[in-house]
Amino acid sequence: SQTIHQWPATLVQPVGSPLSLECTVEGTSNPNLYWYRQAAGRGLQLLFYSVGIGQISSEVPQNLSASRPQDRQFILSSKKLLLSDSGFYLCAWSPTGASSGNTIYFGEGSWLTVV
Amino acid sequence: AQSVTQLDSQVPVFEEAPVELRCNYSSSVSVYLFWYVQYPNQGLQLLLKYLSGSTLVESINGFEAEFNKSQTSFHLRKPSVHISDTAEYFCAVTGQNFVFGPGTRLSVLP
Repeated sequence: SQTIHQWPATLVQPVGSPLSLECTVEGTSNPNLYWYRQAAGRGLQLLFYSVGIGQISSEVPQNLSASRPQDRQFILSSKKLLLSDSGFYLCAWSPTGASSGNTIYFGEGSWLTVV
Repeated sequence: AQSVTQLDSQVPVFEEAPVELRCNYSSSVSVYLFWYVQYPNQGLQLLLKYLSGSTLVESINGFEAEFNKSQTSFHLRKPSVHISDTAEYFCAVTGQNFVFGPGTRLSVLP
């Protein structure tokens, strides 16, 4: 079966510091990968998605970036965090192929607090 | 373009009462429909989905949703809720893109 893991689960970082959140998917190949952000009490905002290694699409211009160095690894980064970057970050994956209905499966989430 | 509307941001209900969480969508193409549940401080879990076939789909914990194409709706229902059902519920559609609704916070009161 497929699993998705992201870490760290909780992170407190000062303003201006770098960020790296990692996500890996097991049990599948060539998945679509996503990073979402959920601000406190708000809905989901798609940040980045990737259909293959090195292929990243950005949905929202900001000081965050994403990379996909390996087929099942997705990394969210920032060189300098802002207070507004605080939130709950969710990595997700979906199988390729129309039969799946593009069902998205989420990781456990990472709480980022910028202080 | 697609969009999802969840009219109720919060739904309080007493334990063992029935509940309906409303979801309406708009799309110019055929869609697949999903409900996700998010318990506090956790990621989203797939609750149920409609891809094709029977328009009534069920989850393992007693929730069901019915796809109504003419009304462009996919309301989530449960005949008797438990305290443990307290969570945020997200409706989502995918056709051209995967789009989530804003969520409905279900609070089950003792």
